[in-house]
Amino acid sequence: DQQVKQNSPSLSVQEGRISILNCDYTNSMFDYFLWYKKYPAEGPTFLISISSIKDKNEDGRFTVFLNKSAKHLSLHIVPSQPGDSAVYFCAASGGGGADGLTFGKGTHLIIQP
Amino acid sequence: DTGVSQDPRHKITKRGQNVTFRCDPISEHNRLYWYRQTLGQGPEFLTYFQNEAQLEKSRLLSDRFSAERPKGSFSTLEIQRTEQGDSAMYLCASSLFVRAGYEQYFGPGTRLTVT
Repeated sequence: DQQVKQNSPSLSVQEGRISILNCDYTNSMFDYFLWYKKYPAEGPTFLISISSIKDKNEDGRFTVFLNKSAKHLSLHIVPSQPGDSAVYFCAASGGGGADGLTFGKGTHLIIQP
Repeated sequence: DTGVSQDPRHKITKRGQNVTFRCDPISEHNRLYWYRQTLGQGPEFLTYFQNEAQLEKSRLLSDRFSAERPKGSFSTLEIQRTEQGDSAMYLCASSLFVRAGYEQYFGPGTRLTVT
């Protein structure tokens, strides 16, 4: 039973445009959500997080939106840059983020020039 | 470099052998986590420590796996009698926990190949 789902295995976006990556979850006990970026042969790199008491968090070009009623979150990257090409993982946790994370399978974002 | 480090980066072993991996967390972080990632999947949680205490173990952590964090600093993950299904990337992460959790920061991983 996959508790965190990323239904798009890949996404291609033109440089300078907006990239929107989506994530759905099923466990109502999750109260902390994170996005990680991963390059091949490296560990995941933390990007941005959001607590369930908020519906939006912004950090530079990255914004995460949380819709608790729909159990859905999204990551917006504006504007998209070539260095953004990577696999993006959505992750969720209970306990305010202190517990082990449950990850989705990832979305491979490709930024085209 | 003050990030999470893991050693070795790559390990090739024969089925039935024991292997041990080491993780050094970010120095002020009191929580340390182990994950496993296989091809096409996201990382899967295995276990975590707060200081030297092992607080949670996933059902994925079979009795062939054991993890320690003896002095609340570095941690080791040992796999006994390795099987081909153990081939994966083993990731370590650390975080600071006070009254709430904070973001987990990952190391580069140890890639295990069991032949």
